[in-house]
This record gives sequence, structure tokens and C-alpha cells, in this order.
Amino acid sequence: GDSVTQMEGPVTLSEEAFLTINCTYTATGYPSLFWYVQYPGEGLQLLLKATKADDKGSNKGFEATYRKETTSFHLEKGSVQVSDSAVYFCALSSTGNQFYFGTGTSLTVIP
Amino acid sequence: EPEVTQTPSHQVTQMGQEVILRCVPISNHLYFYWYRQILGQKVEFLVSFYNNKISEKSEIFDDQFSVERPDGSNFTLKIRSTKLEDSAMYFCASSGQGGTYEQYFGPGTRLTVT
Repeated sequence: GDSVTQMEGPVTLSEEAFLTINCTYTATGYPSLFWYVQYPGEGLQLLLKATKADDKGSNKGFEATYRKETTSFHLEKGSVQVSDSAVYFCALSSTGNQFYFGTGTSLTVIP
Repeated sequence: EPEVTQTPSHQVTQMGQEVILRCVPISNHLYFYWYRQILGQKVEFLVSFYNNKISEKSEIFDDQFSVERPDGSNFTLKIRSTKLEDSAMYFCASSGQGGTYEQYFGPGTRLTVT
């Protein structure tokens, strides 16, 4: 069945460091891929998405490229800020209706 | 910006009791969902709801669970006779379109069953 495997956390980085959070997936068909972010006390917010192979989703300095050959959708940011501290969730949707999520990766950015 | 809201933010109940978790989806959305996340585990799909009926449900969503859209704005999840293992964060989501389109999530209700 469909599933997402996400890099374990927590991750602690210094401000301006480079961020990578790994995400790989298993899916039948051609899924859409998403990164959601959850700030403390808030809901899951869509960060970026990609709907087909080789698409790059980007938002707020974050990027992720849909790699069909490696079944991956790694999240990257060149220079993190303290305000990026949150939990990041990778997710996929392939057959409609339900999303499949990873376990979430907690990121803490220290000044 | 429109958002999904959920109440309460935290619910504590005793084993065997019934609970109702409430959600107000984004007003022009037509597709509604419930997910849950047991501490340290993945966010898991429970059920999707469209056109006043369940369109898909997971194995987790057994007879203990039910959903309802009692009026034009609320979407509820009822858990009858709660068990310890129902303790989790429950997320409501809504979408303007079904399929693989993005879903908009609420902040969650933390349910603790004692």
C-alpha cells in the first residue's frame, strides 16, 4: 500500500544553516506529494506541493523536487531562521480522498 | 484568511465515555476529513465525507466511530465508548476539491482517555 517514510528527528540547527529533511514514498500510480508544517499550537499548513515527476515545489525559501526514479521528495532550505522552528510532515495522495503522512520531523533553529 | 477550527483543543475523558470532537471547515469547502496521530506515530487517515455521506474510511474507523455534518458549518467526530488506545491528536481537514488536491487542516484536538 501507499506509505511515506520520513527522516527521524528531532533536528537542531543553527540559524543560517542548510536544512535537508529526507522523505521517500511508496505508491501505486502517480501520487501528488506535499510538505506540511505545523507551528506550535497551530494546524498543519501546506508548505509546498508537486503533482508530477520532476516538478519542484517551493515556498518561503523551502524547496522539494519530486524524484520518481528515487521515489523521494526531500525538503531543503538554504538558510534556516529561528522562525522556521516547527514540525514538518511529508505526505502523499495517489488515489484520492486520503493523504498518507510521515511521522513528522521536529526542527529547532537556535540563534 | 479562512481556516479550519476545532474544539475543544484538549479533551480528557474516562474510558467507556462518549466524546464528540467538533470542527468548522472552511466555508465553501465540500470535502471533509478526520485524521488522528497517536503520540510518536504517523498521522493516520480515519474517514472522508462528501455530499453528506462517508466516501472512504480506514480500518481504524470501526463501529465505535461516526461522523456527522449536523448543519451547514459543523463537522463532528463521535467516539462511542472510548478506549485507552483512542488517546491521540485528532485533526479535521477540508478541501474544495477531492482527489489529490491539498487539504486544509485544523489545529487538532488532543484526546486523553484515562
